[in-house]
Amino acid sequence: TQLLEQSPQFLSIQEGENLTVYCNSSSVFSSLQWYRQEPGEGPVLLVTVVTGGEVKKLKRLTFQFGDARKDSSLHITAAQPGDTGLYLCAGEDAGGTSYGKLTFGQGTILTVHP
Amino acid sequence: GAGVSQTPSNKVTEKGKYVELRCDPISGHTALYWYRQSLGQGPEFLIYFQGTGAADDSGLPNDRFFAVRPEGSVSTLKIQRTERGDSAVYLCASSLTPTSWETQYFGPGTRLLVL
Repeated sequence: TQLLEQSPQFLSIQEGENLTVYCNSSSVFSSLQWYRQEPGEGPVLLVTVVTGGEVKKLKRLTFQFGDARKDSSLHITAAQPGDTGLYLCAGEDAGGTSYGKLTFGQGTILTVHP
Repeated sequence: GAGVSQTPSNKVTEKGKYVELRCDPISGHTALYWYRQSLGQGPEFLIYFQGTGAADDSGLPNDRFFAVRPEGSVSTLKIQRTERGDSAVYLCASSLTPTSWETQYFGPGTRLLVL
């Protein structure tokens, strides 16, 4: 069974601060995705990374996939109250045959105070 | 176009009862996934369909859980003899094809509470 350890579980910061969320596993993933989920809604995809060492930027968000494709990080620069939400990482098993079957981390609840 | 819809949005039932949860995927999406999300946790994979067939049902917790997708579109997740531990948000997602680079679009979920 694959596991994705996400940290920290909770993050409470002031507007304008930077933060990083980590997602780690002992397993290799063919792809790693980051989602954001609002209360009462389903997760919404932010980014997919597929190549070891890949870095993707989405405005103030920077995503990195580890060289060995076992870990990833999400960095937010100058956080804003609108960034508040649950952030989830999810990976697809590199050795599996069920394409699209995702293993999720337990999530990071981010609160940005004005 | 319309996104993934799920009905009902909330379901309260008593222990031992039978429930059905429905998912309407995005039109034309061949892959459909069911996940379960407990409070404070990330979603947990249950089953996925490619067309009408269940391609992987390894996440179903036991034989009280069953899902169908008879015409390759709408799917129903069925839970028999519900238990309090089944209380969770049941999420459905669909994608154009079941590949790692296809975006999975999630519905808002059905919140199931078993009393």
